[in-house]
Amino acid sequence: DAEITQSPRHKITETGRQVTLACHQTWNHNNMFWYRQDLGHGLRLIHYSYGVQDTNKGEVSDGYSVSRSNTEDLPLTLESAASSQTSVYFCASSDRESPLHFGNGTRLTVT
Amino acid sequence: AQSVTQPDIHITVSEGASLELRCNYSYGATPYLFWYVQSPGQGLQLLLKYFSGDTLVQGIKGFEAEFKRSQSSFNLRKPSVHWSDAAEYFCAVVLNTGNQFYFGTGTSLTVIP
Repeated sequence: DAEITQSPRHKITETGRQVTLACHQTWNHNNMFWYRQDLGHGLRLIHYSYGVQDTNKGEVSDGYSVSRSNTEDLPLTLESAASSQTSVYFCASSDRESPLHFGNGTRLTVT
Repeated sequence: AQSVTQPDIHITVSEGASLELRCNYSYGATPYLFWYVQSPGQGLQLLLKYFSGDTLVQGIKGFEAEFKRSQSSFNLRKPSVHWSDAAEYFCAVVLNTGNQFYFGTGTSLTVIP
């Protein structure tokens, strides 16, 4: 079955370090998204991509970057981790007129 | 501004009772509409979706939702709640063009025996 795999499931890092969260999908979807989930805020869009070499900023993109070199992967990089970036991160993918399919999330703690 | 509103942050119901979770959206056109459920420590699972046609849609786990254009609403219902339905529920919309999903802030459901 097709799926989205996120790694790691849990990550603890220190303030100022660069961190990369991996996302790999086997749906062959063009569209991929990164969300963060925080209490009281629901899911907020960080970055998204509509295809290879395409990336776009979402509503909370400051301090994050993504790259799309192939269809399957959209890694999310925190350039210099901050405590405010402690959160649960979800990767998702979709195609036109299809639902979003989610990974199981990465819990990131920045100390 | 475009938005999705779930006015109930937290709902508690007794097992076997009926359930209705509210969702309202604010967009210029009719979007595609979705309900997702999230169990603790898990990703989001699709319950049901509305694209067009019959405004009452059936989903998994005995859930249904009704699209009301006049009220810009897409409320989720279940006739008889089970303890396993305790979870966080999210309403989401996506516009007909483009593919950017917008989520409500979620409703947390507690089921008491």
